[in-house]
Amino acid sequence: QKEVEQNSGPLSVPEGAIASLNCTYSDRGSQSFFWYRQYSGKSPELIMSIYSNGDKEDGRFTAQLNKASQYVSLLIRDSQPSDSATYLCAASPEGFQKLVFGTGTRLLVSP
Amino acid sequence: EPEVTQTPSHQVTQMGQEVILRCVPISNHLYFYWYRQILGQKVEFLVSFYNNEISEKSEIFDDQFSVERPDGSNFTLKIRSTKLEDSAMYFCASSLGPSGAGETQYFGPGTRLLVL
Repeated sequence: QKEVEQNSGPLSVPEGAIASLNCTYSDRGSQSFFWYRQYSGKSPELIMSIYSNGDKEDGRFTAQLNKASQYVSLLIRDSQPSDSATYLCAASPEGFQKLVFGTGTRLLVSP
Repeated sequence: EPEVTQTPSHQVTQMGQEVILRCVPISNHLYFYWYRQILGQKVEFLVSFYNNEISEKSEIFDDQFSVERPDGSNFTLKIRSTKLEDSAMYFCASSLGPSGAGETQYFGPGTRLLVL
């Protein structure tokens, strides 16, 4: 069973702080990883993708991938109340086209 | 900016009825997907479609489900005889290439299906 695990939260951070979201995956052959943001009642919206070990930065967001530990993370710097949402981690298992999603981590950023 | 569109946004149906959910993927994308999300649960893969045929499907995608690309733009999901447990948000997604190769899947706004 190919699974992606996330802490459901909520993760509460004050405005301006760094939010750290974590994800582990079971399929060692997974090559591509995606972070999506989902507001309540809305569809997943891509934040970042990452395929190589190490860090990838895009504005206030940094994704980190450690394939040896089967671990993906997302850092959000200078968190804003508008960042309050559920963050979904997804992996694409090797040889497959589908995405396997975690349950998501709910982030609450307080003003 | 190109986007995936879905109709209807909401659908209420009686148990046992057939429903068709419609999607227009991004125009130059080649891979099409359906996912569902039961309220409060994770997004679950149903099926992927490439080159006019199903390329992957999950255990959820049983004989009650079918997909079709009837023309060059639409991609549909049909549920033949709906059950109460089919009540969920159904998302269509599309990508230029396979996600295993790093291509991003872009999601439509979803159709909320309620089976009474």
